[in-house]
Amino acid sequence: DAKTTQPNSMESNEEEPVHLPCNHSTISGTDYIHWYRQLPSQGPEYVIHGLTSNVNNRMASLAIAEDRKSSTLILHRATLRDAAVYYCILRAPVTKYIFGTGTRLKVLA
Amino acid sequence: GAVVSQHPSWVICKSGTSVKIECRSLDFQATTMFWYRQFPKQSLMLMATSNEGSKATYEQGVEKDKFLINHASLTLSTLTVTSAHPEDSSFYICSAAWAASLYEQYFGPGTRLTVT
Repeated sequence: DAKTTQPNSMESNEEEPVHLPCNHSTISGTDYIHWYRQLPSQGPEYVIHGLTSNVNNRMASLAIAEDRKSSTLILHRATLRDAAVYYCILRAPVTKYIFGTGTRLKVLA
Repeated sequence: GAVVSQHPSWVICKSGTSVKIECRSLDFQATTMFWYRQFPKQSLMLMATSNEGSKATYEQGVEKDKFLINHASLTLSTLTVTSAHPEDSSFYICSAAWAASLYEQYFGPGTRLTVT
């Protein structure tokens, strides 16, 4: 199973953009890049996913490096409700998710 | 769409008793369900993968006789913690997936188990 590396924690000011990095140098051609976030005492919540091209949705944007060995989750305007642990996961079809330690995002008012 | 529920949301039981946790896919048929355990301040650890109608596949180090998993229908999987002990106290989370979604997982809200 391909592994991901994320910073343990990051801080952001409210209303400012946040760039959460993820390294996945052993990614294979069929691995999708998924991002989930988890608020305290809740199950993981889907944020966004992509394969090769950058992706946008109402929650965030996902920027994928050309060699796919890294990606960045972009929250355009952080709010206090975005404070959570963000997990970057590589997923191949029909295989299990392996959660890393994630990045704990703290949003400062 | 793709909503997964868990019941109960929290449970307290006495040491030595058994506890059953249900995981339901509410608006889709889940061919595969996953069970995770999460200790405080730690990441999710996969315990087992279950396919409807088949025996569950347990991850290394997870006792299959202690954590009984049943996936008898396409919308329901259960996890029974047998002879629970305080060290089994944890946050248990299930997820569900189906083949047409390329096995993308949808997570339940979790169940907090406290064994006294």
